[in-house]
Amino acid sequence: DAGVIQSPRHEVTEMGQEVTLRCKPISGHNSLFWYRQTMMRGLELLIYFNNNVPIDDSGMPEDRFSAKMPNASFSTLKIQPSEPRDSAVYFCASSRDSLTGELFFGEGSRLTVL
Amino acid sequence: LAKTTQPISMDSYEGQEVNITCSHNNIATNDYITWYQQFPSQGPRFIIQGYKTKVTNEVASLFIPADRKSSTLSLPRVSLSDTAVYYCLVGGRDNYGQNFVFGPGTRLSVLP
Repeated sequence: DAGVIQSPRHEVTEMGQEVTLRCKPISGHNSLFWYRQTMMRGLELLIYFNNNVPIDDSGMPEDRFSAKMPNASFSTLKIQPSEPRDSAVYFCASSRDSLTGELFFGEGSRLTVL
Repeated sequence: LAKTTQPISMDSYEGQEVNITCSHNNIATNDYITWYQQFPSQGPRFIIQGYKTKVTNEVASLFIPADRKSSTLSLPRVSLSDTAVYYCLVGGRDNYGQNFVFGPGTRLSVLP
């Protein structure tokens, strides 16, 4: 069974450009999470969905960030416009049991904004 | 909300048993305790989860005292490949989102 699939694995872009990160959760999992990891701030929870509905987006840094989950097998995290301080590794994770919460992470998308 | 406290770093030698303790003084009745491991350039990976007493799997053991205000992850006979960051998470039915909030973790270095 395939794990959580993220794309792209690496992206280098210039300040001001739009960035879209994609995630395919594990089939049958009903919760999806977006995290950002940097050396300074560690692993930050940005937003999570349950049954495709956003439950808590209080971790989204600002209005430049948006996330969608149009169906159970796909989610996007969009940054528009991007800034150098958005440079980080972005992880997507999914979970089957949303109450006891074993998370399965993707390999991450490393974003560099110049 | 249950906040967790762990040592920032630990060193060990190959073949030793490593115990990493996490404090969670205000853990709620319905909260579970979950530990993850993260290698460089990878996402965290689930190690073990428990509610009370002791849980053991093929990778680690988790010891939880009766008051549940702390927990100890035990890694038997570590090897160099166990060098990683270990995170303790606490959360459950009543504070759903806290299941998924990672603290700074404990950076374990296993030396030859």
